[in-house]
Amino acid sequence: AQKVTQAQTEISVVEKEDVTLDCVYETRDTTYYLFWYKQPPSGELVFLIRRNSFDEQNEISGRYSWNFQKSTSSFNFTITASQVVDSAVYFCALSEARNFNKFYFGSGTKLNVKP
Amino acid sequence: EAGVAQSPRYKIIEKRQSVAFWCNPISGHATLYWYQQILGQGPKLLIQFQNNGVVDDSQLPKDRFSAERLKGVDSTLKIQPAKLEDSAVYLCASKNPGQETDTQYFGPGTRLTVL
Repeated sequence: AQKVTQAQTEISVVEKEDVTLDCVYETRDTTYYLFWYKQPPSGELVFLIRRNSFDEQNEISGRYSWNFQKSTSSFNFTITASQVVDSAVYFCALSEARNFNKFYFGSGTKLNVKP
Repeated sequence: EAGVAQSPRYKIIEKRQSVAFWCNPISGHATLYWYQQILGQGPKLLIQFQNNGVVDDSQLPKDRFSAERLKGVDSTLKIQPAKLEDSAVYLCASKNPGQETDTQYFGPGTRLTVL
């Protein structure tokens, strides 16, 4: 079974629109970590954020915000006022306390921001 | 702090040929990962090292893929002989294994095309 599901394969928006990327995870551990990475066309995965399972506070960083809801096992990522430079593939990942050095990646969501 | 270095960035070979990729992790990171990322998919773990020992190679096609990290620092991933389906980006990542909250840091990847 998939531990991390990103149901949206590709999303296209026009610049300045808000967009939310969904991530649903599955784990039996009570302690775990969730991550978002950005992969621009250059190919390198860039770390964006990490959350632990005990901290359900939403986080905002500039135009980026994350909504963590344990009740629905979701860790969604919203970009406000999107820009062309946000165009990339975004990956959600999970690591579990039983082996926090092992990451489970979702299949990614490709975001196209058009001018 | 220098990031994860990988070389070459691009490689084109014919099927049945051999190829090797090199990775130098972030200084002090004892855990090193090799991932295979096929176009349109998320990274798939091939092998995980802790220092010079293999932690997880359950998804490494051992009949044709091999990897080593002899001195516990840099690592080489080899494919011999290559098949068409090996065309992918090979990503190297490193992590401080003692830090539960730490993330994996990725290199720029090597894009392999097998003709």
